Amino acid sequence: AQKVTQAQTEISVVEKEDVTLDCVYETRDTTYYLFWYKQPPSGELVFLIRRNSFDEQNEISGRYSWNFQKSTSSFNFTITASQVVDSAVYFCALSDTNAGKSTFGDGTTLTVKP
Amino acid sequence: NAGVMQNPRHLVRRRGQEARLRCSPVKGHSHVYWYRQLPEEGLKFMVYLQKENIIDESGMPKERFSAEFPKEGPSILRIQQVVRGDSAAYFCASSPQGQGFDEQYFGPGTRLTVT
Repeated sequence: AQKVTQAQTEISVVEKEDVTLDCVYETRDTTYYLFWYKQPPSGELVFLIRRNSFDEQNEISGRYSWNFQKSTSSFNFTITASQVVDSAVYFCALSDTNAGKSTFGDGTTLTVKP
Repeated sequence: NAGVMQNPRHLVRRRGQEARLRCSPVKGHSHVYWYRQLPEEGLKFMVYLQKENIIDESGMPKERFSAEFPKEGPSILRIQQVVRGDSAAYFCASSPQGQGFDEQYFGPGTRLTVT
């Protein structure tokens, strides 16, 4: 069975601080896909990134970066120079190769204070 | 807007009534997923449908819940005889190929409140 653990329930930082959201996953599949989504207060889900299990390269997109380490089954997400607009719930998710259904973590609520 | 459409956005039902949630996938997508998000929790998979077929319903409660994705029209998630515990946000997602590497495009969700 697949499992995604986001150990940090809530994080609060002050604007311009860097913050890392942790994600640890469990799967028996050798090929799988990892995702991060943002859920702002409005409630919709915003896709941030998709990473497959064969690609361990870190990725940077503006102030966002992701660190995928297969050896520790982790896919952490860092926001550099956080802004108030980054305040949201962030979900890490894992999907298998066949059906595509995703297993979500319980989310990390990030609050960025001005 | 070519994204996933869900309606209604908010639905209030009394205990015992039926709730029907609709999802129109991205144009051209034939794979639909339904997820439920209880308050303060992550999304939990319910069911995966392809046009006219249920592929995986392992996350669906055994009773009162059903889903369909007809050849024409939106996918429907139906909850009969709703109870307070059904209050949640229900998200629909669609993908082009129904495989793990696909990005799932999520709709805005339907927030069901059972009074």
